[in-house]
Amino acid sequence: GQNIDQPTEMTATEGAIVQINCTYQTSGFNGLFWYQQHAGEAPTFLSYNVLDGLEEKGRFSSFLSRSKGYSYLLLKELQMKDSASYLCAVRSTGANNLFFGTGTRLTVIP
Amino acid sequence: DGGITQSPKYLFRKEGQNVTLSCEQNLNHDAMYWYRQDPGQGLRLIYYSQIVNDFQKGDIAEGYSVSREKKESFPLTVTSAQKNPTAFYLCASSISSRNEKLFFGSGTQLSVL
Repeated sequence: GQNIDQPTEMTATEGAIVQINCTYQTSGFNGLFWYQQHAGEAPTFLSYNVLDGLEEKGRFSSFLSRSKGYSYLLLKELQMKDSASYLCAVRSTGANNLFFGTGTRLTVIP
Repeated sequence: DGGITQSPKYLFRKEGQNVTLSCEQNLNHDAMYWYRQDPGQGLRLIYYSQIVNDFQKGDIAEGYSVSREKKESFPLTVTSAQKNPTAFYLCASSISSRNEKLFFGSGTQLSVL
């Protein structure tokens, strides 16, 4: 089976850095994804990791360690508009879809 | 602009009624998906389609049906057999079923009267 764990809620201050962790168990790992979802809206793609290491894209970075079944999303220079849910999702080998975690709701405060 | 359009934004279902949620994409994507989102739970896959005239059950297909007669369209019917239909429904597409990036529609909130 598959399982994904991520914190339910986090709060951070505008201008700060926040790290959202995701741990997963799956048979035949084939990629990890992060999506951002504002309340009542469509999730939007943020990042994709399939090899170990850090992928940087502007203020957002995502890290993967396959041996530890662990990923994190790093958000720098937080802005109020970053208040949203962040969804971690995993693809298994041979699967034609993604398995999603419950999401982490991030609140950015002034 | 290319994208995925879901309609309606809000939908109400009466007891014993079937309702259909629309999903249309003009991205020329082969694969399309329906997910259900409930508070405190991750997105759960209902049905997916890798190509026209083909579709597969996801993890929670009971009480739902789909069709894929055209590449652009993947409507979802919530039947009266679905006893707990209240949820936020998201349609998504990708270039192929092996492509990583999903593009999502803006969702339909279904509620029971």
